[in-house]
Amino acid sequence: AQSVAQPEDQVNVAEGNPLTVKCTYSVSGNPYLFWYVQYPNRGLQFLLKYITGDNLVKGSYGFEAEFNKSQTSFHLKKPSALVSDSALYFCAVRDTGSARQLTFGSGTQLTVLP
Amino acid sequence: GAGVSQSPSNKVTEKGKDVELRCDPISGHTALYWYRQSLGQGLEFLIYFQGNSAPDKSGLPSDRFSAERTGGSVSTLTIQRTQQEDSAVYLCASSYRTGGPETQYFGPGTRLLVL
Repeated sequence: AQSVAQPEDQVNVAEGNPLTVKCTYSVSGNPYLFWYVQYPNRGLQFLLKYITGDNLVKGSYGFEAEFNKSQTSFHLKKPSALVSDSALYFCAVRDTGSARQLTFGSGTQLTVLP
Repeated sequence: GAGVSQSPSNKVTEKGKDVELRCDPISGHTALYWYRQSLGQGLEFLIYFQGNSAPDKSGLPSDRFSAERTGGSVSTLTIQRTQQEDSAVYLCASSYRTGGPETQYFGPGTRLLVL
């Protein structure tokens, strides 16, 4: 079985400050991990993914995420937030074993305040 | 290039009616997924297709839900005898193939409202 937890429903940060959106996962094997962003009335846009190798993954729009196997976490980060980063963020996991579909977290609403 | 497209973008129907939702994946993508996004349930997997293999229907919530994929491309999700709890956004995604860490690319979704 695979599962994802996003412990924060809402994250507020001031523009220009660093942001972190938290994600922890559970899989029986090794994980593929993804971050997606959703703007209002839009589908999900892919940001970045972790496959293997370097624990720091860089993605679109200046976002990055750090894979931590011991803590089973994959937190999304950005050094300097923009107001336009305000959106709903989803973490997702896929077990490298038999699962083909993604399992998503419940989402975190990020609000960047001007 | 063109992304995943879905139609209609919005659908309002009466309880008990049947609805069909369409998904056109990215050209060349052999894997196609349907997910449902609802307020109470978050994003949940419904079904996926990979090439000519039998689809994985393990996420379909009831036998009122079915899906087909014709010619390995366009897919239609059908909900029979719709219920109010079927109201949700139905998202389609495609990827180059399954079996590896391929990225799933999502369409804009169909927002279904059952009155």
